[in-house]
Amino acid sequence: DAGVIQSPRHEVTEMGQEVTLRCKPISGHNSLFWYRQTMMRGLELLIYFNNNVPIDDSGMPEDRFSAKMPNASFSTLKIQPSEPRDSAVYFCASRPGANSGNTIYFGEGSWLTVV
Amino acid sequence: AQSVTQLDSQVPVFEEAPVELRCNYSSSVSVYLFWYVQYPNQGLQLLLKYLSGSTLVKGINGFEAEFNKSQTSFHLRKPSVHISDTAEYFCAVSATNQGGKLIFGQGTELSVKP
Repeated sequence: DAGVIQSPRHEVTEMGQEVTLRCKPISGHNSLFWYRQTMMRGLELLIYFNNNVPIDDSGMPEDRFSAKMPNASFSTLKIQPSEPRDSAVYFCASRPGANSGNTIYFGEGSWLTVV
Repeated sequence: AQSVTQLDSQVPVFEEAPVELRCNYSSSVSVYLFWYVQYPNQGLQLLLKYLSGSTLVKGINGFEAEFNKSQTSFHLRKPSVHISDTAEYFCAVSATNQGGKLIFGQGTELSVKP
């Protein structure tokens, strides 16, 4: 079975450039999450969607970050303009159904380096 | 709002020794509790979860955890660890309302030495 698919797996970009991270959740899953992982701050929830609708974006650091989910099988996280402090691993995850007790499945992450 | 505190950032242990990774949570509402494991350069995968019922939960790879509501704890244990258990372990909490978000602790790095 295909898991959560993220692309790119690795990206190195220059400060000021636009970065777009992509995610394909597991088919049939209703919830999608974007997390950021850094050494200093650990795993932070940036935003999550239920049925393609953003529910909580309080973790989005600032206006430079935006996320969309145009349909049930695709989501993007965009950073514009990027800054060195955005360097992190960005994880997408999905969950079946609306029950918060259901297991969340993670992708393998997108490793972003902004120089 | 919910929060999670993992009391140890690093736990070194020798192979075949028992281990306990500690987790405390805070919440004004009832919660579900989870432990996830992250191997190097990989995403997180579920070890076990507590939803309701028996407070002792068994998971994969011989791990188990006990939910203690009075102490608001959900400590993870394994009676005998292997080198392959070396990884980062995350405790997480989610409110039981429908569609709730999962909040993670800072993680505990378990290092198993021969």
